[in-house]
Amino acid sequence: VQLQESGPGLVKPSETLSLSCRVSGYLVNSGFYWAWIRQSPGKGPEWIGSKYSTGTTYHNPSLRGRVSISVDASKNVISLKLKSVTAADTAIYYCASRVTVTSDRWFDPWGQGLLVSVSS
Amino acid sequence: VLSQAPSVSVAPGQTARLSCAGANLGAKSVHWYQQKPGQAPALVIHDDNERPSGTPDRFSGSHSGDTATLTIRRVEVGDEADYYCQVWDQNSNDVVFGGGTTLTVL
Repeated sequence: VQLQESGPGLVKPSETLSLSCRVSGYLVNSGFYWAWIRQSPGKGPEWIGSKYSTGTTYHNPSLRGRVSISVDASKNVISLKLKSVTAADTAIYYCASRVTVTSDRWFDPWGQGLLVSVSS
Repeated sequence: VLSQAPSVSVAPGQTARLSCAGANLGAKSVHWYQQKPGQAPALVIHDDNERPSGTPDRFSGSHSGDTATLTIRRVEVGDEADYYCQVWDQNSNDVVFGGGTTLTVL
């Protein structure tokens, strides 16, 4: 499984951040879960949310209401939308996954990440 | 909240022990990631003490009560990295990462 993020590297404050993650080597409809994780400069990773093959999605409570994660099976892509961004949303955004069913939740593999800056 | 010491320093060939502490951690499985500069985090230990294929057997994990430990034996210069612990709350389905420990090999 290989993951590759893409999208704009610069977003204006109050706008919507939209990113895509192209999946190679596995069908997005078959994977156990797909996730978005971000990492602000000098800080630890922050989970944004996970979308399961069942269709259920869970989001970080601190971002709930601003986050949307979707899957496009026709393109084998996972998408992230984050509304009303501020400078605090500046980070490297990673997609990550777990394709086989497990009793707990961890992330392997990860994409290489995409730096997104929020600035006017 | 998962607490990790900001930094640990060891000499090559020695043993590094990186800890991760949190309330009710005993009820959760802990996973560990290694992140080298400019790279994405990479899983090194899952479910407290399970090594994915590709993780050297110098890496091991343990968990006792509310503290989990990543132990790296015979530390090499190439082990210099940031290490993060992570847990999943099966009740809320939330995922939490620790703040990370920077391992420096002197």
